[in-house]
Order: sequence, then C-alpha cells, then structure tokens
Amino acid sequence: ETGVTQTPRHLVMGMTNKKSLKCEQHLGHNAMYWYKQSAKKPLELMFVYSLEERVENNSVPSRFSPECPNSSHLFLHLHTLQPEDSALYLCASSQDSGQSATQYFGPGTRLTVL
Amino acid sequence: TQLLEQSPQFLSIQEGENLTVYCNSSSVFSSLQWYRQEPGEGPVLLVTVVTGGEVKKLKRLTFQFGDARKDSSLHITAAQPGDTGLYLCAGEPLEYGNKLVFGAGTILRVKS
Repeated sequence: ETGVTQTPRHLVMGMTNKKSLKCEQHLGHNAMYWYKQSAKKPLELMFVYSLEERVENNSVPSRFSPECPNSSHLFLHLHTLQPEDSALYLCASSQDSGQSATQYFGPGTRLTVL
Repeated sequence: TQLLEQSPQFLSIQEGENLTVYCNSSSVFSSLQWYRQEPGEGPVLLVTVVTGGEVKKLKRLTFQFGDARKDSSLHITAAQPGDTGLYLCAGEPLEYGNKLVFGAGTILRVKS
C-alpha cells in the first residue's frame, strides 16, 4: 500500500464512451501526475499538477482532459478514445514537483478501448 | 530513440542465479532511480543514486551509478522467485531540468 489509490482498476470502453479515472493520495503531497504505460515502451508523462495547478502538459491529445479539484484528488476524463489509447494509466504523487522529489505510484487503471 | 536504454528487455533465470541489468544513456543525469513493478501494481522505488561511481546495496541488490553519470546497473545475487517483476530505471537528465524520464524496463522472471 503506497498511499495512492486509483479507481477503477480495470475499464473497458467503446470509442464513443465518456469515462473518468480517479486518483486519490493520502500522503499529504502537493504534486500529482498522470502517466501512460504501454507494453515495451517507457512510461510517458502526460500531466503534472502542483498545488492544484497544471504545470506540465506533454502534448497530450485533447481527448484526455485532467482535473485536479484539490491536492488529494486527480481525475482523467476520457472521451472519444482510440484503440491505441489502450494502456495502463498510472497516477503518482510527490511532496513537490521539484528535482529529485520521490514519486509514489498508484496501482494503475488498465484501460481497454474497443 | 529512447533517452534511457535498458537491457536486456527480458530475462528468465533459475532461482539462485546471479544477474545484472543495465540502464544506459548518452546524456548526463543528476540522479538515477530504480523501480520494481509487480503485475497489477504501480512501480515502487528501490533506490536513488546521485553521485558518479556511487554503489548502494539493498540486501541482495547492488546498484551502481557510472562515473560519468550516464549509466547505471542493478545486480541481483542469488535471485529468488520474489524478485520477479519489471525493473525500471528513471532519471533526470541535466539537459531537461527536473523532468523525470523512464526506460522501457527489464522483465525479470525467476523460476523455482
């Protein structure tokens, strides 16, 4: 148990569906992250939030929309996804977003887009 | 091309054997981290190395940071089935500020 929880753990959706992924951290951290993990590829950083403000967006398609209502919660809203978006989506948190801040990961949401 | 190249991509060994996995780059890193990720879980940090030439030990795991801070290795002595998992290296390349980048990982399977 790392103190970062994600729901749902598994999600199957069609290309026309709208769904949301939820992440919650119980560590009192100020920074939260969304990563995409595909088979045989490095983890791809999608979004970074620090003190509830987005500080980094790595050219992610607009069909992924993040939301950070407070420092403990992070959402990833999904709409009109493509089959190539199927992957494990990992949430992480750290004390701050600065250099060498240790990131703690949640268990991920396994997403399958049909 | 990936900033951090990990090798081998996959390793299957018998319990009790020793192994080494590598993490290489042409870039200089301010630090390198090693994570282990088990099926159905997120990555868990094992160690962070900061100083060139640094060696850290964690029970049967030995981590080394290259002198030039461009590469790192993880050596496991007498591997056990519980060591099975995906081993990821990650680091902050100096040219990218504090952005953490990951390698693609080495899948290790230890058979009993």
